[in-house]
Amino acid sequence: KAGVTQTPRYLIKTRGQQVTLSCSPISGHRSVSWYQQTPGQGLQFLFEYFSETQRNKGNFPGRFSGRQFSNSRSEMNVSTLELGDSALYLCASSLASGGPGTDTQYFGPGTRLTVL
Amino acid sequence: GQQLNQSPQSMFIQEGEDVSMNCTSSSIFNTWLWYKQDPGEGPVLLIALYKAGELTSNGRLTAQFGTTRKDSFLNISASIPSDVGIYFCAGHKTGNQFYFGTGTSLTVIP
Repeated sequence: KAGVTQTPRYLIKTRGQQVTLSCSPISGHRSVSWYQQTPGQGLQFLFEYFSETQRNKGNFPGRFSGRQFSNSRSEMNVSTLELGDSALYLCASSLASGGPGTDTQYFGPGTRLTVL
Repeated sequence: GQQLNQSPQSMFIQEGEDVSMNCTSSSIFNTWLWYKQDPGEGPVLLIALYKAGELTSNGRLTAQFGTTRKDSFLNISASIPSDVGIYFCAGHKTGNQFYFGTGTSLTVIP
């Protein structure tokens, strides 16, 4: 079974631009979570989508948004980019079917975003 | 958001030595996960724990779900150079987000 895939792997943008990142979960997984990882702040939770609905949300400004499609693929958008948005953005998927162990998350390789 | 207390923050050990690290939380979880991350890559799942008191092994790795449900431990026996990386714990309660530890950076000296 293919793992979680993220595109693009690397991205360079300038301040004020917007960016869209994509995540394809493991086949059959219904939950997709997004994280921001920076050296100083570690792994910070952005939001989780389950069956096309945002189920949990972290403490990030409204510039960070996401959505999930009916095939469980998810996109994350960051508008009006700031220098501090430079980070590794990770997505993780889980089956989330309610049974034991189905919440276990599997990560993608990440998208490295650099804001100049 | 909440981050779990993970210790030690970093470890420098000789090849062949055993390693222990742990994670504590003020909240009760019903799942504990341990991940390893190499630079520039996504975390890779090492061990998943679903029951208080559970002890699970994966090769040279052994992890335990603490009986209070507020902590977890990871041991690596007979370390080798490819064990180098950052190890993260993660705690979860059904329906909620995952909470991650701050990471343990492991360096293995050949």
